[in-house]
Amino acid sequence: RKEVEQDPGPFNVPEGATVAFNCTYSNSASQSFFWYRQDCRKEPKLLMSVYSSGNEDGRFTAQLNRASQYISLLIRDSKLSDSATYLCVVTPPAGTALIFGKGTTLSVSS
Amino acid sequence: GAVVSQHPSWVICKSGTSVKIECRSLDFQATTMFWYRQFPKQSLMLMATSNEGSKATYEQGVEKDKFLINHASLTLSTLTVTSAHPEDSSFYICSARGGRERSYEQYFGPGTRLTVT
Repeated sequence: RKEVEQDPGPFNVPEGATVAFNCTYSNSASQSFFWYRQDCRKEPKLLMSVYSSGNEDGRFTAQLNRASQYISLLIRDSKLSDSATYLCVVTPPAGTALIFGKGTTLSVSS
Repeated sequence: GAVVSQHPSWVICKSGTSVKIECRSLDFQATTMFWYRQFPKQSLMLMATSNEGSKATYEQGVEKDKFLINHASLTLSTLTVTSAHPEDSSFYICSARGGRERSYEQYFGPGTRLTVT
């Protein structure tokens, strides 16, 4: 089982749609959780951290369920500029390196 | 956010030559730097972790004699791909993790696209 698994998509949605991405991780002792965004041929950029209490940043909402080892990202009112690959990222229990999922590709069209 | 630069942005080299990639933290001191590699349609894979002034820790399957890492200062780490082969062609990305005030996040460089012909 891979350490971080995501549905690769692609997800093709119209502008204004709400879309959700899911991610599961295998190590129950993982420490920190993030969603990164990566545009084509660019480096990943931190989108938001994910907490058990859930957190929201504008149109983006992230949730963590430690019991199920499950992370989600919800994007409301999708914009064309949201088109990118969204990477689910965790840190291992003893270390600071980031473990990346393969990413889920989102394509928002007008 | 913090700025991390990488040079060169892209490089094409012949098989058998060596290529050096630099990673610099421009506005903070990076106690730890990480080197990742990403093949097309694949996730970023950690190659090695380097702490300033000490030897890098390589991930399983990464040849330390082929991928030489030097973290000589708190703002600079270099990755040298020695005797490059076409299968080394990839997107190499570094990230830097700072000291106390920036201990939480990692900041990524813009990446270096290496093509070995």
